[in-house]
Amino acid sequence: GAGVSQSPSNKVTEKGKDVELRCDPISGHTALYWYRQRLGQGLEFLIYFQGNSAPDKSGLPSDRFSAERTGESVSTLTIQRTQQEDSAVYLCASSLGGGPSYNEQFFGPGTRLTVL
Amino acid sequence: GESVGLHLPTLSVQEGDNSIINCAYSNSASDYFIWYKQESGKGPQFIIDIRSNMDKRQGQRVTVLLNKTVKHLSLQIAATQPGDSAVYFCAENDSGNTPLVFGKGTRLSVIA
Repeated sequence: GAGVSQSPSNKVTEKGKDVELRCDPISGHTALYWYRQRLGQGLEFLIYFQGNSAPDKSGLPSDRFSAERTGESVSTLTIQRTQQEDSAVYLCASSLGGGPSYNEQFFGPGTRLTVL
Repeated sequence: GESVGLHLPTLSVQEGDNSIINCAYSNSASDYFIWYKQESGKGPQFIIDIRSNMDKRQGQRVTVLLNKTVKHLSLQIAATQPGDSAVYFCAENDSGNTPLVFGKGTRLSVIA
């Protein structure tokens, strides 16, 4: 079956512009995660959606970052007024829910964001 | 896709040898641990996990060892193959719904 997909695969933008990154999770997965991966680093948690519960936004680095999820489907990560330090690969993952230690997270290929 | 680990620690092994990748964690309350493999241009892929009530778990060609006393986790890959070349990350959390905390990763390079 189809895995997690993300679009665009690459995004180059100018400092100060807004960007939207999209994630299509695996059908039936109630949990959805966003991570940021800087070059040479591990993954940094950004935000977690679980069903209809309020999302866990504890990893968002600033108020320039926000994310939405429509029901149990598509999610969009928005970065406003992008800065050069926002350059990274943004990864989305989905799972059957119940938290990270209960069900395997399946990752998408990521969106590479470059802010000039 | 982007290379995710140009400046990561690198482990080079001969094809057919065993590989050991290590990870230290700091949270003594962590009770769930997981290893991921990430190939260039792809998202991380689950390899194996272990809970804190165990100190060893085996999969196909892989073994995870957990030493809670010194907060150390290792991944052993038997008979390493060229397809094992990737960046390997450990991750942990301390309860069901808290986010996973990822380590910085180790690049495994298999020499044919």
